[in-house]
Amino acid sequence: QKEVEQDPGPLSVPEGAIVSLNCTYSNSAFQYFMWYRQYSRKGPELLMYTYSSGNKEDGRFTAQVDKSSKYISLFIRDSQPSDSATYLCAMSGTSYGKLTFGQGTILTVHP
Amino acid sequence: AAGVIQSPRHLIKEKRETATLKCYPIPRHDTVYWYQQGPGQDPQFLISFYEKMQSDKGSIPDRFSAQQFSDYHSELNMSSLELGDSALYFCASSRRASGRLVTDTQYFGPGTRLTVL
Repeated sequence: QKEVEQDPGPLSVPEGAIVSLNCTYSNSAFQYFMWYRQYSRKGPELLMYTYSSGNKEDGRFTAQVDKSSKYISLFIRDSQPSDSATYLCAMSGTSYGKLTFGQGTILTVHP
Repeated sequence: AAGVIQSPRHLIKEKRETATLKCYPIPRHDTVYWYQQGPGQDPQFLISFYEKMQSDKGSIPDRFSAQQFSDYHSELNMSSLELGDSALYFCASSRRASGRLVTDTQYFGPGTRLTVL
């Protein structure tokens, strides 16, 4: 079983919808949680970075971490066609350690 | 803002050949990570370097080796290539904070697409 599980989707939503992406993990040593966006054949682009439990908001994006449940979420408000990409959750036990990724969720936002 | 540079962007090799991938981190970043992403898969950690010393090692085959040079760029050397080595190879860089966190986020390069025929 993988250390990080992510619903692979695919997820298809209309423009303007609220999108919820989720990951669960089994390693309680993870302290740092990230969400990356990856367009086809491109490198992952950092969207959100969170330390420990709590919420973090940046524009249309909100990241939530619940360490007690080993569950993290990314919410995208007012989704746009340009948000269509693969979203990867990633986590690490230290601030400089290797990242362990989820499988990625393919999101399509249609006009 | 400057980003991570990887070269070459595309590489085609025959089985049993060797390949060298290069990574130039963001200026002032001292840590480099290498990841391998197979088709339809998530990136898998291979190896990392901090201040030119290996800091962590993942599922990197013995046929692969890597190093970080004095100018902080890194090279991944791959020998006796196999068909299964065909993948996207990403380099990421970060800068270790002297005290607190946040600045150690890993920034990824565009990747090198290796195809082994």
